[in-house]
Amino acid sequence: EEQLVQSGAEVKKPGESLKISCQGSGYSFSSYWIGWVRQMPGKGLEWMGIIYPGDSDTRYSPSFQGQVTLSADKSISTAYLQWSSLKASDTAMYYCARKGGAFDVWGQGTMVTVSS
Amino acid sequence: EIVLTQSPGTLSLSPGEGATLSCRASQSVSASYLAWYQQRPGHAPRLLIYAASSRATGIPDRFSGSGSGTDFTLTISRLEPEDFAVYYCQRHGGSLTFGGGTRVEIK
Repeated sequence: EEQLVQSGAEVKKPGESLKISCQGSGYSFSSYWIGWVRQMPGKGLEWMGIIYPGDSDTRYSPSFQGQVTLSADKSISTAYLQWSSLKASDTAMYYCARKGGAFDVWGQGTMVTVSS
Repeated sequence: EIVLTQSPGTLSLSPGEGATLSCRASQSVSASYLAWYQQRPGHAPRLLIYAASSRATGIPDRFSGSGSGTDFTLTISRLEPEDFAVYYCQRHGGSLTFGGGTRVEIK
């Protein structure tokens, strides 16, 4: 079964750093782009960026360029989303998804809460 | 950047009724790159339709997509209880913009 499994919920303070993960299985992880999607509480879906694990080619949405960093380690079939300095406005659910054309396989989501 | 506008914001319908959801793009979008997703409360989104009219694996045939250029439609022929959810369109080529969503609620 093709699946993406994300790391668990996080509670952080403003200014802290964070790296969350998304591990793929059941398919050739290196051969598909992985996208990240933000969903703030009660709001819609926002595309953040995509990364190709095969060569780490990365594209960012203009709204998120410079705010987050995408990375991947193809040897362990894992993609990452990281922040160097969290803000309260980063509180949201974050999803990773495989881009097989459209986003055809989704992770279960990682809830990130940033509060002092 | 292309903006996708979904309407209506909320659709109130009864089980068994049909639903028509609209997604309008600010510029022409290749039909090869328009997708629809369903999101039930507390769940990750699920791909329903890609390339405007192709059903994803395992999606019932009561879901259909159509459209071209700037106007796309998701049609649910007969609403089942599990279809009451939020639906999003997305351009899945180039900039991967999502629409704002349409909530289909029980009347």
